Amino acid sequence: DTAVSQTPKYLVTQMGNDKSIKCEQNLGHDTMYWYKQDSKKFLKIMFSYNNKELIINETVPNRFSPKSPDKAHLNLHINSLELGDSAVYFCASSQEARSATGELFFGEGSRLTVL
Amino acid sequence: AQSVTQPDIHITVSEGASLELRCNYSYGATPYLFWYVQSPGQGLQLLLKYFSGDTLVQGIKGFEAEFKRSQSSFNLRKPSVHWSDAAEYFCAAWGNNAGNMLTFGGGTRLMVKP
Repeated sequence: DTAVSQTPKYLVTQMGNDKSIKCEQNLGHDTMYWYKQDSKKFLKIMFSYNNKELIINETVPNRFSPKSPDKAHLNLHINSLELGDSAVYFCASSQEARSATGELFFGEGSRLTVL
Repeated sequence: AQSVTQPDIHITVSEGASLELRCNYSYGATPYLFWYVQSPGQGLQLLLKYFSGDTLVQGIKGFEAEFKRSQSSFNLRKPSVHWSDAAEYFCAAWGNNAGNMLTFGGGTRLMVKP
């Protein structure tokens, strides 16, 4: 059973399109995250949700909108895709934010290619 | 600002040789420290972590890391590298005064020669 699962694993689309990436965790964790990994492998946090509430929102364009329907799911919707959005997007989860220790469990990533 | 630095972008070692990957952090207080490994096309897997106590921590796959407060370092080591260890390695730090975020270093790509 995959602990943190993301879909789709690969996504190729045209500039200007809108796309979504879904994430689900079955670990019972309270906190979920989206990280972006660029072509140089640099990992940067985008968002963090705790129990469906946004707690971290780094400097990310408004075209990116996370949605957490429940604490086991955190989806990422991207409007008006640009070439620079091409990256691998990782979903992760951890136990409750207030006593969190930074131990994150990652999904396998979703590689987005914008043409 | 809090940061994690991995000075080596690429490292190549021969199979069976020892390995040390460097990591330095800059935080106001000692953060929690982690090493993650990313195999090609895969997500990140936790190798080991340091919260407090014994400064030498053991992890999975035969890895260990040593926390040195005086040097603000948390270097990863393995006495004998296997070809399957070829991957990208990330050092990361978590500090409560950093907005409860896990901050990653830039990664070190390990290549293993037969």
